[in-house]
Amino acid sequence: QKEVEQDPGPLSVPEGAIVSLNCTYSNSAFQYFMWYRQYSRKGPELLMYTYSSGNKEDGRFTAQVDKSSKYISLFIRDSQPSDSATYLCAMLQGGSEKLVFGKGTKLTVNP
Amino acid sequence: DTAVSQTPKYLVTQMGNDKSIKCEQNLGHDTMYWYKQDSKKFLKIMFSYNNKELIINETVPNRFSPKSPDKAHLNLHINSLELGDSAVYFCASSPGQFGSNQPQHFGDGTRLSIL
Repeated sequence: QKEVEQDPGPLSVPEGAIVSLNCTYSNSAFQYFMWYRQYSRKGPELLMYTYSSGNKEDGRFTAQVDKSSKYISLFIRDSQPSDSATYLCAMLQGGSEKLVFGKGTKLTVNP
Repeated sequence: DTAVSQTPKYLVTQMGNDKSIKCEQNLGHDTMYWYKQDSKKFLKIMFSYNNKELIINETVPNRFSPKSPDKAHLNLHINSLELGDSAVYFCASSPGQFGSNQPQHFGDGTRLSIL
């Protein structure tokens, strides 16, 4: 079993839809959870960074972490064509700098 | 201003050659990394340096040798290139001392193709 599992999609939604992206993980030592957005031929760009369980909101983006279920989510409200990208979840153990990534979910938002 | 910059952006070369990729960050970060993204888009850490000291060395062939001349630069030299080395190599950096779990910021990658 991979440490981090993420459905690669692709996921296609109409403009204005609410998008839900998810990852599951097996390593209970993960404490820091991140979502990155990667446009084609670009590097990953940090979207959200959370510690332990709970919710964090930033504009149209909400990150949720449920450590008891080893499950994290990213919600995008009022999705825009400019949100079309690959979304990568990533996780860290406390005291470690080894960021472990999911495989990424490719999202297309259609105008 | 590019925060984490890599050169070259594209590198096409023959099998068996030796090549280097350079990375510079102007964020004042203490820790720098090299990641490899394979054809299936899976990102995996290769090395990490903190203040010029090697901290993480994953199971990477010893044909790959990172070098950090100062904390703003981390270069990657690859000897005897093989077909399987074709990938996108990303440099990243993060603030604070090693183990402070700060978010990592990535460059735009170097696309390496081996003929």
